[in-house]
Amino acid sequence: ETGVTQTPRHLVMGMTNKKSLKCEQHLGHNAMYWYKQSAKKPLELMFVYSLEERVENNSVPSRFSPECPNSSHLFLHLHTLQPEDSALYLCASSRGVRGFTDTQYFGPGTRLTVL
Amino acid sequence: GQQLNQSPQSMFIQEGEDVSMNCTSSSIFNTWLWYKQDPGEGPVLLIALYKAGELTSNGRLTAQFGITRKDSFLNISASIPSDVGIYFCAGPRGFDSGAGSYQLTFGKGTKLSVIP
Repeated sequence: ETGVTQTPRHLVMGMTNKKSLKCEQHLGHNAMYWYKQSAKKPLELMFVYSLEERVENNSVPSRFSPECPNSSHLFLHLHTLQPEDSALYLCASSRGVRGFTDTQYFGPGTRLTVL
Repeated sequence: GQQLNQSPQSMFIQEGEDVSMNCTSSSIFNTWLWYKQDPGEGPVLLIALYKAGELTSNGRLTAQFGITRKDSFLNISASIPSDVGIYFCAGPRGFDSGAGSYQLTFGKGTKLSVIP
């Protein structure tokens, strides 16, 4: 069992590029998340999907566009990013979104560098 | 908003020593989670605590849910080199805030270095 996988693991892109991050979970979970992890900052929740519907969007700039085609896959489409968007982007999944026991399991992350 | 304060921010210890770190908040949490993040990897859940006063172990790790529900402690006994990493505490925002339990608040982490 591979849990939560993310590709690519590393990505370097220019500010005018368009790229996508992919996340896949093999846990049979119904909820998926995107987090941003910057140096010396707490993890920041970006988006939450439950049963393929977006339930949370924490005022994330429109240059980040999520897509959840089914409960096992989650994408983060990137375009015209800024250097300050360089960070580790983590995907997570959980069984549901309402119970205290709906533990979130994280993928290994994509290390993004914007030049 | 709710914040989780972790201390210490970083620590260097000798292999074999015991480690203690804590997480405090000005708000009450109903669940406390402890994650470990290895370099270049995502956080991995170590221990979950659901009840005030609860003491839970996972191998050499022991975590406690403070009785005030505003703090939690993580202890690692007989540290080994693979304990190196960043340890995060996290908890869901309370239902009284209108937020779902998925909206976790994370601390900034305690970075542990183990000297062989």
